Amino acid sequence: GAGVSQSPSNKVTEKGKDVELRCDPISGHTALYWYRQSLGQGLEFLIYFQGNSAPDKSGLPSDRFSAERTGGSVSTLTIQRTQQEDSAVYLCASSLSTSGRLGEQYFGPGTRLTVT
Amino acid sequence: GQQLNQSPQSMFIQEGEDVSMNCTSSSIFNTWLWYKQDPGEGPVLLIALYKAGELTSNGRLTAQFGITRKDSFLNISASIPSDVGIYFCAGQYIGTYKYIFGTGTRLKVLA
Repeated sequence: GAGVSQSPSNKVTEKGKDVELRCDPISGHTALYWYRQSLGQGLEFLIYFQGNSAPDKSGLPSDRFSAERTGGSVSTLTIQRTQQEDSAVYLCASSLSTSGRLGEQYFGPGTRLTVT
Repeated sequence: GQQLNQSPQSMFIQEGEDVSMNCTSSSIFNTWLWYKQDPGEGPVLLIALYKAGELTSNGRLTAQFGITRKDSFLNISASIPSDVGIYFCAGQYIGTYKYIFGTGTRLKVLA
């Protein structure tokens, strides 16, 4: 595909339910990042994948959050037992590598999650 | 999470005016990226900077990598209504994979 894609674009869920957010990175990009953006705020780092491994999960807010990546491509961010404070836009980015020009991150359109 | 100081937080300007915004850090970066985010969209990469003192243009946009490696500037000349959006800087420490993002500058252009 031409760019990073994410699905769904919008998700409304009831408090306590689990949600899965999907990211399809640019083909050939080995690095994949998840960020969270609360209303009117900057980007908060959640997790970084290199291939299928996640060497840095330090940004995950709690153990209700988890992510996986399979085949060095698609990634899924799962939020269990959602809370209202989880409401935000979840952005995915990918890059060819991690530094220099190859480290330039390209973002998807995001998934807007609303927990009611 | 860790964030850069980005200013101004928001700007209202008249169409045709020039715009300037900047990011500062207490630490040295080896890469600066500038993004624009339209409402309901993901950030789009505008300009990338890799060397201290580097000045790079992309159409009406010009960005500079500060000589101290702790700051960066983005200028937009002759603003037009479609420049509206949120502009983010992002800096990367030497030898790391992680980018730290600024808090954003919200630009509104009055026709």
